Amino acid sequence: GESVGLHLPTLSVQEGDNSIINCAYSNSASDYFIWYKQESGKGPQFIIDIRSNMDKRQGQRVTVLLNKTVKHLSLQIAATQPGDSAVYFCAENHGGAQKLVFGQGTRLTINP
Amino acid sequence: DGGITQSPKYLFRKEGQNVTLSCEQNLNHDAMYWYRQDPGQGLRLIYYSQIVNDFQKGDIAEGYSVSREKKESFPLSVTSAQKNPTAFYLCASSVPGRGDYEQYFGPGTRLTVT
Repeated sequence: GESVGLHLPTLSVQEGDNSIINCAYSNSASDYFIWYKQESGKGPQFIIDIRSNMDKRQGQRVTVLLNKTVKHLSLQIAATQPGDSAVYFCAENHGGAQKLVFGQGTRLTINP
Repeated sequence: DGGITQSPKYLFRKEGQNVTLSCEQNLNHDAMYWYRQDPGQGLRLIYYSQIVNDFQKGDIAEGYSVSREKKESFPLSVTSAQKNPTAFYLCASSVPGRGDYEQYFGPGTRLTVT
């Protein structure tokens, strides 16, 4: 079946820098995308979502960009802080079913 | 406070024993889900239920069973037919038909079978 994949399994950034986490998806019928943050030993937490009729959405310190032409999704985190260290997952929904398909995840590490 | 609770946080069982993981939500959500997460991996869907007394298999349902007798509860049973049950299990819920698909997750149960 279709799956959501990530370009990089790990990402290290300096504290205060901006982070960009990428995600590729393969199902062109996907109409909803979501980013989750998962800290060690905990359940995923919602960060931001975007529908396929948008190409950009901003939240507090986070921006999600959607490029449907190349089936690419990215999460930008501004002024990265130590508390941003976690694994970040993208997920997609397609076909109208109330299901999400998750990518493998990217581990973000913040260097002091 | 509204949310999803999973218990226990850590669970240890001997091989061949069946075990049931608890998931309760007081968010008044209709849909509930069970995922399995292995180290360094993403979430894989085991079962989901969009309404009471109804549920569907996910991508890796073999060796698992569920019930949905109440809106608030969606227990997952791990049977001896599951060959590699050691994993981190996550329960989630959502509100179908609201126009988005955000799922709210519980804190997870780490199951270790030896």
